[in-house]
Amino acid sequence: EVVLTQTPVTLSLSPGERATLSCRASQSVSRYLGWYQQKPGQAPRLLIYDASNRATGVPARFSGSGSGTDFTLTISSLEPEDFAVYYCQQRSNWPPSFGQGTKLEIK
Amino acid sequence: QVQLQESGPGLVKPSQTLSLTCTVSGGSISSGSHYWSWIRQPAGKGLEWIGRASTSAIPIYNPSLRSRVTLSIDTSKKQFSLRLISVTAADTAVYYCAREDDDIGYYYFDSWGQGTLVTVSS
Repeated sequence: EVVLTQTPVTLSLSPGERATLSCRASQSVSRYLGWYQQKPGQAPRLLIYDASNRATGVPARFSGSGSGTDFTLTISSLEPEDFAVYYCQQRSNWPPSFGQGTKLEIK
Repeated sequence: QVQLQESGPGLVKPSQTLSLTCTVSGGSISSGSHYWSWIRQPAGKGLEWIGRASTSAIPIYNPSLRSRVTLSIDTSKKQFSLRLISVTAADTAVYYCAREDDDIGYYYFDSWGQGTLVTVSS
């Protein structure tokens, strides 16, 4: 199983700042990586698939990049509703697997 | 827009069977371009994919749970179900049902139920 390691575990930023979240895979997943946002008491929401494609309805301030083993989710200017936990997930190698998450909190 | 809703007991005794159902509304459960998955999340932890079912293929299970899990689909009721036998406290988690859409790519989960907490305890 591919292990996804997300860093940092917690990221403290202020609204309006830029957020950069990282996900590293234990082996290449090509570009088959997605990102999810999860708010307390809610289900995860798909933000990005195939490394850089925004899912339907996702604001343009969210962008993804990377390939192989190193991936980044960038939020260009944080809105109050962006503070949540973010998970990466790979589908390149079966079974699909998730990272342990990065908590984005208000500074 | 498709909606998914989990249902089932919130408390299961150790060694017994966990059974959950996901009801699909606002879309077809029989579409050949969709798969239906179960994913769980222990409190304060990450997400674990359990398995997937569809009307066009046999169910597929995570090897970590394969010996204990069964998924099924009832198209007449627009429901798919999870059955997990011989549960222990380690199976305590929020259980989500989710959809995969071929337009995005299989094994990405673009629609989710709200989740249901299942606690394994005597």
